[in-house]
Amino acid sequence: NAGVTQTPKFRVLKTGQSMTLLCAQDMNHEYMYWYRQDPGMGLRLIHYSVGEGTTAKGEVPDGYNVSRLKKQNFLLGLESAAPSQTSVYFCASSSPFGSVVYEQYFGPGTRLTVT
Amino acid sequence: GQQVMQIPQYQHVQEGEDFTTYCNSSTTLSNIQWYKQRPGGHPVFLIQLVKSGEVKKQKRLTFQFGEAKKNSSLHITATQTTDVGTYFCAGPEDAGNMLTFGGGTRLMVKP
Repeated sequence: NAGVTQTPKFRVLKTGQSMTLLCAQDMNHEYMYWYRQDPGMGLRLIHYSVGEGTTAKGEVPDGYNVSRLKKQNFLLGLESAAPSQTSVYFCASSSPFGSVVYEQYFGPGTRLTVT
Repeated sequence: GQQVMQIPQYQHVQEGEDFTTYCNSSTTLSNIQWYKQRPGGHPVFLIQLVKSGEVKKQKRLTFQFGEAKKNSSLHITATQTTDVGTYFCAGPEDAGNMLTFGGGTRLMVKP
């Protein structure tokens, strides 16, 4: 099992450019999440999904869009990147079943710089 | 909405000293989870506490859940350089499918 994977690992964008971050999980988890983490800061939830075809806003959704067309994939889009979106982006997944419900499994992160 | 606060934000210790981080929630929690993030890495689940007053141990780490289920602590005995990282607590939102993370406590250990 690869767990949660994210692509790309690093990316540099210019202001105004767009990009999509891909998250994939092979654990058959129902729930998936996108967080951002700024230097020395905690995790802030951007968007999340409780199932295929559903998405919901988190704490800091502005400037981002998401889609979950397949259960195993969760895409995060930046339509017009801004320097304030420079951050490390983590994807996570969890399940309402199992010995520790809602334990979140995180991907390795995508380091995004917007110049 | 629910808020989860952690103190201290940073802690420097000499190797061999003990370390404690505290987590406080604005609401009663059904459970609390702890995660560790190594420098440059991603958060990794450590443990979940469910019962009021629960205490769990993992080698040198001791986790406690408060009687009122609004606070928790993580204590590390005799820190080692491998303990370096940021420790986060997290509590579920009412529906349980989202976690609210504390701001984390960054632990630095001097050898």
